[in-house]
Amino acid sequence: NAGVTQTPKFQVLKTGQSMTLQCAQDMNHNSMYWYRQDPGMGLRLIYYSASEGTTDKGEVPNGYNVSRLNKREFSLRLESAAPSQTSVYFCASSEVLAGGHNEQFFGPGTRLTVL
Amino acid sequence: QKEVEQNSGPLSVPEGAIASLNCTYSDRGSQSFFWYRQYSGKSPELIMFIYSNGDKEDGRFTAQLNKASQYVSLLIRDSQPSDSATYLCAVMLSGNTPLVFGKGTRLSVIA
Repeated sequence: NAGVTQTPKFQVLKTGQSMTLQCAQDMNHNSMYWYRQDPGMGLRLIYYSASEGTTDKGEVPNGYNVSRLNKREFSLRLESAAPSQTSVYFCASSEVLAGGHNEQFFGPGTRLTVL
Repeated sequence: QKEVEQNSGPLSVPEGAIASLNCTYSDRGSQSFFWYRQYSGKSPELIMFIYSNGDKEDGRFTAQLNKASQYVSLLIRDSQPSDSATYLCAVMLSGNTPLVFGKGTRLSVIA
């Protein structure tokens, strides 16, 4: 049981390049999330997917696209990377249990630098 | 805009003391409250959650919730150097909505 996995762990891009961050979970969770974390800014939600086939914008969606490929996988794409997208990206998944408890599990993160 | 506010710290406490971390939230309809711990260079991990007013204890950790004051806190008793980390407060409006995170409080436990 690997939990939430992310690839790659580190990436350096040049301005204007594109790339896709991959995320997969093996906990059979319905909901998946992409966050970015910048120094002093906490975790900010980029996009989320409440269930397979649905995606919604979060707080900071500009410059990103997502795909919920299936229940396990949720990818984040940067079409034309900008230095402002230098950040640590975390994927997370969660499930609502009886009683409303919803625990989010995080992946190890992807450290992205855009030059 | 839903907001979760935390003092950024650093909060420094001596080993063995009680560390008190505080969080306020703006959305009165919030239902669930979470504390995550994040070590430097690592991902957040859940340490406590609380839904009801009052205290909830788990080992050395106690979460306190006061919905009337829109205030949630985390107490760490007998603080250890290994507790040194950033503590993130997170709030959920309802069962299937994304968490809203505070910016975190950096805790340093001095041996």
